Amino acid sequence: AQSVTQLGSHVSVSEGALVLLRCNYSSSVPPYLFWYVQYPNQGLQLLLKYTTGATLVKGINGFEAEFKKSETSFHLTKPSAHMSDAAEYFCAVGATDSWGKLQFGAGTQVVVTP
Amino acid sequence: DAMVIQNPRYQVTQFGKPVTLSCSQTLNHNVMYWYQQKSSQAPKLLFHYYDKDFNNEADTPDNFQSRRPNTSFCFLDIRSPGLGDAAMYLCATSRDQGLYNEQFFGPGTRLTVL
Repeated sequence: AQSVTQLGSHVSVSEGALVLLRCNYSSSVPPYLFWYVQYPNQGLQLLLKYTTGATLVKGINGFEAEFKKSETSFHLTKPSAHMSDAAEYFCAVGATDSWGKLQFGAGTQVVVTP
Repeated sequence: DAMVIQNPRYQVTQFGKPVTLSCSQTLNHNVMYWYQQKSSQAPKLLFHYYDKDFNNEADTPDNFQSRRPNTSFCFLDIRSPGLGDAAMYLCATSRDQGLYNEQFFGPGTRLTVL
């Protein structure tokens, strides 16, 4: 079974500051890991994903995430927040032995202040 | 643009009155999913179709049914909505099963039960 824990349901960050969203996972098999973003009144959009290989994954809009197996973590970062980054962010895990089911975290709402 | 469309965006129904939510896609994807997302919670998979094959999650209540009359359309039927069924319902599609296949989400239908 897989599960995801996102630390912090709300994060406030100043424009230009580092964005750090935390995600820890539990998986009995090697996981695939995903970050999705949901802007107001829109569906979820894939930011980035880790499958195999390089543990530092770069995504869209300047975001990146690092898979750390020893820490069972997949934290999302962006060096400099922009007002347009205000959204809800979901971490998800999929088991490599499954048909493709994703287990989502509860989400982190990001507020960007001027 | 190819996309996932959900109608209506907002649906109000009465306790116990059947309701149908609609999803259509122009991506010609084989797999369609329905998720339930309650406030401040993770999206929860209800069921998915792989082509015409219906796959129900074990913990999806019998009150929830689905139909997929063709590749493009998928419906979520709630036979007797209760107050606890008020949520955002998300439809998603993917080209095929397997975690390599990105899931594309619609904007969701927010269901209110009075």
